Amino acid sequence: GNSVTQMEGPVTLSEEAFLTINCTYTATGYPSLFWYVQYPGEGLQLLLKATKADDKGSNKGFEATYRKETTSFHLEKGSVQVSDSAVYFCALTPSPNSGYALNFGKGTSLLVTP
Amino acid sequence: DAGVTQSPTHLIKTRGQQVTLRCSPKSGHDTVSWYQQALGQGPQFIFQYYEEEERQRGNFPDRFSGHQFPNYSSELNVNALLLGDSALYLCASSPVGSNQPQHFGDGTRLSIL
Repeated sequence: GNSVTQMEGPVTLSEEAFLTINCTYTATGYPSLFWYVQYPGEGLQLLLKATKADDKGSNKGFEATYRKETTSFHLEKGSVQVSDSAVYFCALTPSPNSGYALNFGKGTSLLVTP
Repeated sequence: DAGVTQSPTHLIKTRGQQVTLRCSPKSGHDTVSWYQQALGQGPQFIFQYYEEEERQRGNFPDRFSGHQFPNYSSELNVNALLLGDSALYLCASSPVGSNQPQHFGDGTRLSIL
């Protein structure tokens, strides 16, 4: 079946540090891949997405590249800010249609300290 | 432009009771999905509605049922509540057949005593 595995948290970084959150997936066919972010007390917000191999999604300084050969979609940011503190979820849909059911990882909590 | 709205924001029920949660999709969206997010976990897909029909369903028992209305809004019903049903219930909407991602509401926090 389809599944997503992401690194365990919490991750604690100092402001301006480099961020990597690892995500690997298992899926048949050609999934679409997503990163969502959840701030305390809120729902999920789409951070970025990629719909085919070698696509790079980017938004607000965050980037992730769809690597079919390693079945990975790692999230990176060159310089984190305190306001980036949140829970980050890697997710996939089993087809290029982003409206299909999302399979989520367990989430990685990020805390950025001043 | 209003996003996805859910009501109520919080709800407390006791075991065995029934509950109805409501969702209004983002303007222009006609597909609604429901997810259950237990504390400290990722959201789990419950089901998806399009054209007032259940189009996809995740691995949830029949106690979980839903409905979609002609104006695309949706309800999630849960019968015979169990302690394990305590969670954040998220609604997401998207336009059907497009490559646009799902937009999420802020959720309903359901606590079972």
